Amino acid sequence: SQQGEEDPQALSIQEGENATMNCSYKTSINNLQWYRQNSGRGLVHLILIRSNEREKHSGRLRVTLDTSKKSSSLLITASRAADTASYFCATGSGGSNYKLTFGKGTLLTVNP
Amino acid sequence: GAVVSQHPSRVICKSGTSVKIECRSLDFQATTMFWYRQFPKQSLMLMATSNEGSKATYEQGVEKDKFLINHASLTLSTLTVTSAHPEDSSFYICSARWQGVGTEAFFGQGTRLTVV
Repeated sequence: SQQGEEDPQALSIQEGENATMNCSYKTSINNLQWYRQNSGRGLVHLILIRSNEREKHSGRLRVTLDTSKKSSSLLITASRAADTASYFCATGSGGSNYKLTFGKGTLLTVNP
Repeated sequence: GAVVSQHPSRVICKSGTSVKIECRSLDFQATTMFWYRQFPKQSLMLMATSNEGSKATYEQGVEKDKFLINHASLTLSTLTVTSAHPEDSSFYICSARWQGVGTEAFFGQGTRLTVV
C-alpha cells in the first residue's frame, strides 16, 4: 500500500511565487526523501531528511519533517517555469529489506 | 550524483512476445536494484527488489513468472516481461542503491512499454 500521501495533488502558481507541497505517512521511517519527475522521465533525487532531523535546506528547497505528525513539507522558493514537474515524497523503512515507498505525488505547474 | 542507465527508453511489442529491459549502474556497484511500475499520472509501485546474486523479492500481487528479474552482476539488473499483454503497457523504472540503509536511490530514465 502507498505510504506517503501528498497534497495537493496538483498545484498551479506563477513564476516567482513559492510552492509548498505536503506529504503524510503512516508508519515509522528511517528517512524521508523528495524526488522530482519530469513528464515521462525517471526520478531525480532532491533531498533526504533523516528521522532525527526537523528541517533541511538545499538551494531553493526547504524540507521539514514532523515525525510526531508523520508529515513532511517541501517548499520551493522563487519558483521558475523549469520547476514544472511532479514531486514525490518517499519514505524509507526496513532494515535489511530497506526500500522506498512513494506517495501519489503533486503535479506542480509554474506559469511564466 | 551516480548514474543509472536504463535501456530501452521506449519499446513497442506484440502481444505474446517477451521484452527485456536493462538497468545498469554506470559508476558504482549496486548491491540492490528496484523495479517500479508507473501508470499515467500515478505514483510508482514497487514491483520487486533484487540483490546481486540472489533471487528477487517480489511485492504482493506481482507475478514472478511474468516479470522475470535477474541481477547477475553488481552493475546490471534485467526485467523481462514475458508473454506480454496490452495491460502490461506501462512505464517501468529501475533504481539502484550502492550500499547501506538510508542512502538515496538513483533512478534510470524509465522505459515506456506499449504492447499492441
